[in-house]
Amino acid sequence: ETGVTQSPTHLIKTRGQQVTLRCSSQSGHNTVSWYQQALGQGPQFIFQYYREEENGRGNFPPRFSGLQFPNYSSELNVNALELDDSALYLCASSLGGTGGFTEAFFGQGTRLTVV
Amino acid sequence: QKEVEQNSGPLSVPEGAIASLNCTYSDRGSQSFFWYRQYSGKSPELIMFIYSNGDKEDGRFTAQLNKASQYVSLLIRDSQPSDSATYLCAVNRGIVGGYNKLIFGAGTRLAVHP
Repeated sequence: ETGVTQSPTHLIKTRGQQVTLRCSSQSGHNTVSWYQQALGQGPQFIFQYYREEENGRGNFPPRFSGLQFPNYSSELNVNALELDDSALYLCASSLGGTGGFTEAFFGQGTRLTVV
Repeated sequence: QKEVEQNSGPLSVPEGAIASLNCTYSDRGSQSFFWYRQYSGKSPELIMFIYSNGDKEDGRFTAQLNKASQYVSLLIRDSQPSDSATYLCAVNRGIVGGYNKLIFGAGTRLAVHP
């Protein structure tokens, strides 16, 4: 167990709807990153939150947004869902400010299906 | 050219053999390198990370890094059927003060047969 928890584990939404996914980081970690993993692909970086601010973003449109709270937990929000948003969404917890020399641990993921 | 490349496999090895998984990366500025194991339908599980040239051993696993060749590998000794999974290679550029963005390969599927 990594101590990183995500909710919900599975979700079915209709195209055009909005969704919020949640992540609790591992104790002692101040950084949460979100990844999208399509079937048969490696995870793709969406964005990262460090001390409650977004400090890095991948190639995802603005309808993907997020938050980090004072306890370092985080939310991923996706608006105007599209069929291609169907994927496994992964949250990774790590200790930031180390120049990348740090381990990132994943939660169990949220499987989102858009119909 | 993909930033991180892995052979998709499947790599099939007999039980007890050594499995060798390879990964190349394009960004010479990459600083740290990670191997994750992912079972079907599950999330990635960290096996090892390495940031210095050479070998790093942890139990049955050995990670090897060659920055000059932009190559990182994972050796699994005494392979077991329970090692059958997809192995993801990830790299981190490691910008000081920056963010921990991991760039993943698509993974190599390993099948260990009895």
